[in-house]
Amino acid sequence: GENVEQHPSTLSVQEGDSAVIKCTYSDSASNYFPWYKQELGKGPQLIIDIRSNVGEKKDQRIAVTLNKTAKHFSLHITETQPEDSAVYFCAAVAGGTSYGKLTFGQGTILTVHP
Amino acid sequence: GAGVSQSPRYKVAKRGQDVALRCDPISGHVSLFWYQQALGQGPEFLTYFQNEAQLDKSGLPSDRFFAERPEGSVSTLKIQRTQQEDSAVYLCASSSQGGGNQPQHFGDGTRLSIL
Repeated sequence: GENVEQHPSTLSVQEGDSAVIKCTYSDSASNYFPWYKQELGKGPQLIIDIRSNVGEKKDQRIAVTLNKTAKHFSLHITETQPEDSAVYFCAAVAGGTSYGKLTFGQGTILTVHP
Repeated sequence: GAGVSQSPRYKVAKRGQDVALRCDPISGHVSLFWYQQALGQGPEFLTYFQNEAQLDKSGLPSDRFFAERPEGSVSTLKIQRTQQEDSAVYLCASSSQGGGNQPQHFGDGTRLSIL
């Protein structure tokens, strides 16, 4: 099955700096890669996603890049703000499932210091 | 409602008791997923429904776990004879279609503690 590795496990930045989180996946047939933000006591919130026919996607301060050859994808947050502090998860849908079974990375605890 | 709703938000049970967790997906969403999230970990897939059909239950840890979605809307995850290792947050997610690249929207989960 699909295996997703995520790093770093913790990331501490100053407000205004950029943050980058990286993930690798094992199944070359994977075709959908969402990123979720999870705050304490809340469920994961979808913040951006990318499909395998696209190399990069941007939404305001958030961008995701996908390298299918290397089987890795990354989340970039620019001009970080304290409210960006949360746990971030990457995920992948294995190519063998037609309905979207997600395999998650281990999570990154992002702390943005004012 | 506007989002996925789960109840109860917190559940404490004694080892050996049965529990039932409820999920109200976004209205009209075809797909419904259950995930289990251990402390400090990412969610792990349990089971999947397309309308009322349970198409994948490969992630259920044991035969003590049972899920249903009889009318293709509300779903219930039942755990029989609970064990301490069942303590976790149980998350429900729904998506509008059955395709593999559709966004999944999560509820805030039920935090289950087994004493």
